[in-house]
Amino acid sequence: GAGVSQSPSNKVTEKGKDVELRCDPISGHTALYWYRQSLGQGLEFLIYFQGNSAPDKSGLPSDRFSAERTGGSVSTLTIQRTQQEDSAVYLCASSTGLAGVADTQYFGPGTRLTVL
Amino acid sequence: GENVEQHPSTLSVQEGDSAVIKCTYSDSASNYFPWYKQELGKRPQLIIDIRSNVGEKKDQRIAVTLNKTAKHFSLHITETQPEDSAVYFCAAREGAPFGQGTTLQVKP
Repeated sequence: GAGVSQSPSNKVTEKGKDVELRCDPISGHTALYWYRQSLGQGLEFLIYFQGNSAPDKSGLPSDRFSAERTGGSVSTLTIQRTQQEDSAVYLCASSTGLAGVADTQYFGPGTRLTVL
Repeated sequence: GENVEQHPSTLSVQEGDSAVIKCTYSDSASNYFPWYKQELGKRPQLIIDIRSNVGEKKDQRIAVTLNKTAKHFSLHITETQPEDSAVYFCAAREGAPFGQGTTLQVKP
């Protein structure tokens, strides 16, 4: 079946512009995660959704970052007034999200964001 | 919240040797311990996981051991091959946080 998809695959923007990144999870997966990965670095957690709710927003780096999820499926990560330090690969992952059952995360291919 | 420490940050071994990566965690309530492998330019993928009701799990050349008392778990790769070269990440629950990652290089 279809895996996690993300769009765009690459995004180049100018400093100060807003960008919107999209994640399409595996059908039926209620849990969705956003991560940021700078070149050669680890997986920095940004936000977690269970359904449309975000019980854990602790990783959002600043108030320029926001995310939403509608219909329990597609999620968008918005970065306002982008800065050069926002340049990174943004990864999305989804899992079944069954209550009380930890499960495999399936990652998307990522969006490579470059802020000039 | 949960804090996961992963060591070493880099590991270089000769083909055929074993590799061991260790993670420690802080939350005694953690009960799920996955390991992900990320090859260069690719997305992370689960390679093995263990739940807190067992102490060891094996899948061919890879194994994970868990010591709940000491709050640490380890990934063991035997008979390493060049295709094992990648970055490996651990976690102590589904989702974040992940450990800092270990870059494994297997020299032919």
